[in-house]
Amino acid sequence: GQNIDQPTEMTATEGAIVQINCTYQTSGFNGLFWYQQHAGEAPTFLSYNVLDGLEEKGRFSSFLSRSKGYSYLLLKELQMKDSASYLCAVSGAGTALIFGKGTTLSVSS
Amino acid sequence: KAGVTQTPRYLIKTRGQQVTLSCSPISGHRSVSWYQQTPGQGLQFLFEYFSETQRNKGNFPGRFSGRQFSNSRSEMNVSTLELGDSALYLCASSQEPSGRRNEQFFGPGTRLTVL
Repeated sequence: GQNIDQPTEMTATEGAIVQINCTYQTSGFNGLFWYQQHAGEAPTFLSYNVLDGLEEKGRFSSFLSRSKGYSYLLLKELQMKDSASYLCAVSGAGTALIFGKGTTLSVSS
Repeated sequence: KAGVTQTPRYLIKTRGQQVTLSCSPISGHRSVSWYQQTPGQGLQFLFEYFSETQRNKGNFPGRFSGRQFSNSRSEMNVSTLELGDSALYLCASSQEPSGRRNEQFFGPGTRLTVL
């Protein structure tokens, strides 16, 4: 079966760094996605990892370890607008893209 | 390029009725997926269609069905509605159903309320 785990909630302050972890078990692996979803809006793409290592894109970075079934999303220089739900999603072999339940991040001043 | 569109945006139905939701993908995208989103449950996968064929199906009862047309537009139908079907139904399209080209572009969703 397939399973994706992420923490339910996290809190942080403006300017800080936060790491959101995701562990997964899937049948095959074709890549891992991170999405951001603000309240009342549709999810939007943040990053994609298919090889081990770190992918950096501005204030956001995503890391993947395929052998450990583990990924994290790193958000630097947090801003209030980063308050949102962050969804980890895994593309398996021949399977649909499966999403975790999401991590709700609250950024305070 | 126009984004994913979903109609209707809001819908109120009563128990026992049926409903059809529509999704138009981004031009050139051949894969369409449907998700149900409820508080606490996150995005639960319903179906995935690629080139008019259902490629994958989630763990939902047979009351939930879907189809995809030759122009990649997709519809999902829920029959004999139950209170628990109240949710945001999201449609997403991608170029291909796997790998990097499986980046999902989401529509704004249809908010279904069952009374």
